[in-house]
Amino acid sequence: DTGVSQDPRHKITKRGQNVTFRCDPISEHNRLYWYRQTLGQGPEFLTYFQNEAQLEKSRLLSDRFSAERPKGSFSTLEIQRTEQGDSAMYLCASSLEVESEAFFGQGTRLTVV
Amino acid sequence: GQQLNQSPQSMFIQEGEDVSMNCTSSSIFNTWLWYKQDPGEGPVLLIALYKAGELTSNGRLTAQFGITRKDSFLNISASIPSDVGIYFCAGPGAGSYQLTFGKGTKLSVIP
Repeated sequence: DTGVSQDPRHKITKRGQNVTFRCDPISEHNRLYWYRQTLGQGPEFLTYFQNEAQLEKSRLLSDRFSAERPKGSFSTLEIQRTEQGDSAMYLCASSLEVESEAFFGQGTRLTVV
Repeated sequence: GQQLNQSPQSMFIQEGEDVSMNCTSSSIFNTWLWYKQDPGEGPVLLIALYKAGELTSNGRLTAQFGITRKDSFLNISASIPSDVGIYFCAGPGAGSYQLTFGKGTKLSVIP
């Protein structure tokens, strides 16, 4: 399977704990995106990388959120001191540099209790 | 910021019927993307549109890029039960590669 891969698929954590999600994009794609989706809404942009550089961040990305893409391959999204409001589906997507078609992974469902 | 309005919000149809849904924007888009999302899964890209007036098909799906660049339409012909899901339109914001999504059209197909 050469699609976008996300791990884990589901995560339940206690409020205040830190969590980290991983995304492996389609191998030839230079751009990688993180989105968040809550029930009844479309995905909302969080941040994106071109290769290893983080070029754009949404105002949704509070100081408790950090994303990295070392070596321009896989990416991690970390949420520190989780809050109940962080409960959502976190989606990763990738695309070729010159195209805006983004292909999504299956997502990580985060539940903060 | 840019907003995408999708209509209808939900629809119930009989298997075999044709479906039409649309997406409108408050500003011009240069690209329109249509995705389908099943429960608990990520969105799957169905059709991409790059030129005003463009009409593109993918099997039973047909999408059009509106002439005004502020709207797009998705049609599904001869619906089947596996067409059930939420359909999203999306497009990149001005000067950005991030995608803005609509709130989706939830499709239910009655066998």
